[in-house]
Amino acid sequence: DAKTTQPTSMDCAEGRAANLPCNHSTISGNEYVYWYRQIHSQGPQYIIHGLKNNETNEMASLIITEDRKSSTLILPHATLRDTAVYYCIVRYSGSARQLTFGSGTQLTVLP
Amino acid sequence: EPEVTQTPSHQVTQMGQEVILRCVPISNHLYFYWYRQILGQKVEFLVSFYNNEISEKSEIFDDQFSVERPDGSNFTLKIRSTKLEDSAMYFCASSLQGARQVNTEAFFGQGTRLTVV
Repeated sequence: DAKTTQPTSMDCAEGRAANLPCNHSTISGNEYVYWYRQIHSQGPQYIIHGLKNNETNEMASLIITEDRKSSTLILPHATLRDTAVYYCIVRYSGSARQLTFGSGTQLTVLP
Repeated sequence: EPEVTQTPSHQVTQMGQEVILRCVPISNHLYFYWYRQILGQKVEFLVSFYNNEISEKSEIFDDQFSVERPDGSNFTLKIRSTKLEDSAMYFCASSLQGARQVNTEAFFGQGTRLTVV
Protein backbone atom coordinates (compact mmCIF):
# COMPACT_ATOMS: atom_id res chain seq x y z
CA ASP A 1 0.00 0.00 0.00
CA ALA A 2 1.20 3.51 -0.83
CA LYS A 3 2.63 5.70 1.92
CA THR A 4 0.72 8.78 3.00
CA THR A 5 1.91 12.07 4.47
CA GLN A 6 -0.33 14.26 6.61
CA PRO A 7 0.35 17.35 8.71
CA THR A 8 0.76 16.53 12.37
CA SER A 9 -1.85 19.03 13.53
CA MET A 10 -4.32 21.66 12.34
CA ASP A 11 -6.73 24.09 13.93
CA CYS A 12 -10.07 25.18 12.59
CA ALA A 13 -12.65 27.67 13.84
CA GLU A 14 -16.04 26.25 14.77
CA GLY A 15 -18.51 26.63 11.92
CA ARG A 16 -15.83 26.99 9.30
CA ALA A 17 -14.78 24.36 6.79
CA ALA A 18 -11.92 22.11 7.85
CA ASN A 19 -9.68 21.08 4.97
CA LEU A 20 -7.36 18.21 5.80
CA PRO A 21 -4.69 17.43 3.20
CA CYS A 22 -3.05 14.11 2.47
CA ASN A 23 -0.18 13.41 0.15
CA HIS A 24 0.02 9.98 -1.48
CA SER A 25 2.37 10.56 -4.39
CA THR A 26 3.18 6.86 -4.86
CA ILE A 27 -0.44 5.75 -5.14
CA SER A 28 -1.12 3.22 -7.86
CA GLY A 29 -4.14 3.05 -10.13
CA ASN A 30 -6.05 0.44 -8.16
CA GLU A 31 -5.50 1.91 -4.70
CA TYR A 32 -8.30 3.63 -2.86
CA VAL A 33 -8.05 6.56 -0.46
CA TYR A 34 -9.85 5.98 2.85
CA TRP A 35 -10.39 8.44 5.68
CA TYR A 36 -11.06 7.48 9.25
CA ARG A 37 -11.03 9.53 12.42
CA GLN A 38 -10.48 8.73 16.07
CA ILE A 39 -12.03 10.89 18.73
CA HIS A 40 -9.95 10.73 21.89
CA SER A 41 -9.55 7.10 23.05
CA GLN A 42 -12.59 5.94 21.07
CA GLY A 43 -12.60 3.43 18.24
CA PRO A 44 -11.72 4.69 14.76
CA GLN A 45 -14.71 5.84 12.75
CA TYR A 46 -15.04 5.44 9.00
CA ILE A 47 -15.66 8.72 7.18
CA ILE A 48 -15.38 8.29 3.43
CA HIS A 49 -13.38 6.66 0.67
CA GLY A 50 -12.78 7.15 -3.05
CA LEU A 51 -10.77 6.04 -6.04
CA LYS A 52 -10.50 9.01 -8.40
CA ASN A 53 -13.81 10.85 -8.43
CA ASN A 54 -14.74 13.31 -5.74
CA GLU A 55 -17.05 11.81 -3.15
CA THR A 56 -19.52 13.31 -0.71
CA ASN A 57 -21.56 11.84 2.07
CA GLU A 58 -23.37 13.15 5.13
CA MET A 59 -20.12 13.56 7.04
CA ALA A 60 -17.62 14.97 4.59
CA SER A 61 -16.38 15.48 1.06
CA LEU A 62 -13.30 13.91 -0.45
CA ILE A 63 -11.48 15.76 -3.19
CA ILE A 64 -8.85 13.76 -5.08
CA THR A 65 -6.53 15.57 -7.48
CA GLU A 66 -6.56 14.54 -11.11
CA ASP A 67 -3.13 12.91 -10.84
CA ARG A 68 -4.33 11.18 -7.61
CA LYS A 69 -1.13 12.15 -5.82
CA SER A 70 -2.98 14.01 -3.11
CA SER A 71 -6.42 14.43 -1.62
CA THR A 72 -8.30 16.70 0.76
CA LEU A 73 -10.95 15.76 3.27
CA ILE A 74 -13.43 18.58 3.79
CA LEU A 75 -15.66 18.89 6.84
CA PRO A 76 -17.98 21.66 5.63
CA HIS A 77 -19.03 23.11 8.97
CA ALA A 78 -16.72 21.92 11.70
CA THR A 79 -18.08 21.54 15.21
CA LEU A 80 -16.29 21.00 18.50
CA ARG A 81 -17.22 17.32 18.25
CA ASP A 82 -15.11 17.03 15.11
CA THR A 83 -11.95 17.45 17.19
CA ALA A 84 -10.13 14.18 16.53
CA VAL A 85 -7.17 12.52 14.85
CA TYR A 86 -7.89 12.08 11.13
CA TYR A 87 -6.22 9.24 9.26
CA CYS A 88 -5.71 9.12 5.52
CA ILE A 89 -5.14 5.50 4.43
CA VAL A 90 -4.35 4.24 0.97
CA ARG A 91 -5.13 0.63 0.32
CA TYR A 92 -5.39 -1.73 -2.59
CA SER A 93 -8.83 -3.22 -2.88
CA GLY A 94 -7.42 -6.52 -4.04
CA SER A 95 -5.10 -6.92 -1.11
CA ALA A 96 -5.89 -8.98 1.93
CA ARG A 97 -4.08 -6.41 4.01
CA GLN A 98 -6.16 -4.62 6.54
CA LEU A 99 -6.12 -0.96 7.46
CA THR A 100 -2.67 0.41 8.24
CA PHE A 101 -3.00 3.47 10.45
CA GLY A 102 -0.32 6.13 10.44
CA SER A 103 0.02 9.01 12.85
CA GLY A 104 -2.75 11.09 11.26
CA THR A 105 -3.60 14.77 11.70
CA GLN A 106 -4.82 16.05 15.03
CA LEU A 107 -7.63 18.46 14.14
CA THR A 108 -8.63 20.84 16.89
CA VAL A 109 -11.84 22.79 16.35
CA LEU A 110 -11.71 26.03 18.31
CA PRO A 111 -14.78 27.81 19.70
CA GLU B 1 -27.82 2.74 14.02
CA PRO B 2 -26.16 -0.67 14.32
CA GLU B 3 -22.87 -0.68 16.20
CA VAL B 4 -20.08 -2.94 17.36
CA THR B 5 -20.18 -3.45 21.11
CA GLN B 6 -17.28 -4.52 23.28
CA THR B 7 -17.16 -5.75 26.85
CA PRO B 8 -15.76 -5.03 29.32
CA SER B 9 -14.83 -1.40 28.77
CA HIS B 10 -11.91 -1.78 31.17
CA GLN B 11 -10.16 -4.94 32.32
CA VAL B 12 -7.40 -5.12 34.89
CA THR B 13 -5.48 -8.36 35.14
CA GLN B 14 -2.37 -9.66 36.78
CA MET B 15 0.64 -10.54 34.70
CA GLY B 16 0.52 -14.18 33.66
CA GLN B 17 -3.26 -14.41 33.78
CA GLU B 18 -5.48 -15.15 30.81
CA VAL B 19 -8.04 -12.62 29.62
CA ILE B 20 -10.90 -12.84 27.16
CA LEU B 21 -12.11 -9.72 25.44
CA ARG B 22 -15.58 -9.89 23.98
CA CYS B 23 -17.17 -8.25 20.98
CA VAL B 24 -20.57 -8.34 19.34
CA PRO B 25 -20.11 -7.32 15.69
CA ILE B 26 -22.83 -5.74 13.57
CA SER B 27 -25.34 -8.51 12.91
CA ASN B 28 -25.13 -8.89 9.13
CA HIS B 29 -21.38 -8.40 8.91
CA LEU B 30 -19.22 -11.31 7.86
CA TYR B 31 -15.66 -10.12 8.51
CA PHE B 32 -14.30 -9.48 11.96
CA TYR B 33 -11.09 -7.88 13.17
CA TRP B 34 -9.07 -7.07 16.24
CA TYR B 35 -6.77 -4.07 16.47
CA ARG B 36 -4.86 -2.67 19.41
CA GLN B 37 -3.50 0.71 20.38
CA ILE B 38 -0.82 1.06 23.00
CA LEU B 39 -1.15 4.39 24.80
CA GLY B 40 0.22 7.20 22.65
CA GLN B 41 0.98 4.93 19.71
CA LYS B 42 -0.64 4.01 16.41
CA VAL B 43 -3.59 1.70 15.93
CA GLU B 44 -2.17 -1.70 14.95
CA PHE B 45 -3.85 -4.56 13.12
CA LEU B 46 -3.86 -7.89 14.93
CA VAL B 47 -6.08 -10.36 13.09
CA SER B 48 -8.96 -10.76 10.68
CA PHE B 49 -11.51 -13.58 10.79
CA TYR B 50 -13.94 -14.87 8.22
CA ASN B 51 -15.98 -18.02 7.84
CA ASN B 52 -14.79 -19.32 11.20
CA GLU B 53 -11.13 -19.07 10.46
CA ILE B 54 -8.31 -16.55 10.57
CA SER B 55 -7.84 -14.93 7.17
CA GLU B 56 -4.88 -12.76 8.05
CA LYS B 57 -2.76 -11.96 11.08
CA SER B 58 0.06 -9.60 11.88
CA GLU B 59 3.38 -10.44 13.46
CA ILE B 60 2.00 -9.21 16.75
CA PHE B 61 -0.60 -11.99 16.78
CA ASP B 62 1.58 -14.80 18.05
CA ASP B 63 0.74 -18.00 19.92
CA GLN B 64 -0.23 -15.97 22.96
CA PHE B 65 -3.33 -14.79 21.13
CA SER B 66 -6.36 -16.65 19.81
CA VAL B 67 -9.74 -15.67 18.41
CA GLU B 68 -13.03 -17.46 18.37
CA ARG B 69 -16.60 -17.01 17.31
CA PRO B 70 -18.25 -19.26 19.87
CA ASP B 71 -21.79 -18.59 18.69
CA GLY B 72 -23.62 -16.61 16.05
CA SER B 73 -23.09 -13.25 17.68
CA ASN B 74 -19.93 -13.05 19.77
CA PHE B 75 -16.33 -12.69 18.64
CA THR B 76 -13.63 -13.06 21.26
CA LEU B 77 -9.93 -12.37 21.64
CA LYS B 78 -8.10 -14.50 24.19
CA ILE B 79 -4.72 -13.48 25.50
CA ARG B 80 -2.91 -16.20 27.40
CA SER B 81 -0.31 -15.45 30.03
CA THR B 82 -0.59 -11.67 29.77
CA LYS B 83 2.52 -9.51 29.87
CA LEU B 84 2.91 -5.90 30.97
CA GLU B 85 3.38 -4.88 27.36
CA ASP B 86 -0.05 -6.25 26.45
CA SER B 87 -1.55 -3.22 28.19
CA ALA B 88 -3.42 -1.34 25.46
CA MET B 89 -6.82 -0.46 24.05
CA TYR B 90 -8.17 -3.37 22.06
CA PHE B 91 -10.63 -2.55 19.31
CA CYS B 92 -12.94 -4.97 17.61
CA ALA B 93 -14.25 -4.15 14.14
CA SER B 94 -16.51 -5.71 11.57
CA SER B 95 -17.27 -5.18 7.92
CA LEU B 96 -19.82 -6.43 5.47
CA GLN B 97 -17.25 -7.19 2.84
CA GLY B 98 -13.69 -8.34 3.06
CA ALA B 99 -10.39 -6.68 2.36
CA ARG B 100 -10.27 -7.88 -1.24
CA GLN B 101 -13.50 -6.12 -2.12
CA VAL B 102 -14.18 -2.46 -2.72
CA ASN B 103 -16.57 -1.40 -0.02
CA THR B 104 -14.63 -2.65 2.94
CA GLU B 105 -15.33 0.12 5.40
CA ALA B 106 -14.86 -1.28 8.87
CA PHE B 107 -16.94 -0.28 11.87
CA PHE B 108 -15.11 -0.21 15.17
CA GLY B 109 -16.28 -0.73 18.71
CA GLN B 110 -15.42 1.62 21.54
CA GLY B 111 -12.63 -0.62 22.76
CA THR B 112 -11.58 -2.48 25.87
CA ARG B 113 -8.81 -0.91 27.89
CA LEU B 114 -6.63 -3.75 29.15
CA THR B 115 -4.29 -3.00 32.00
CA VAL B 116 -1.81 -5.67 33.02
CA VAL B 117 -0.31 -5.16 36.46
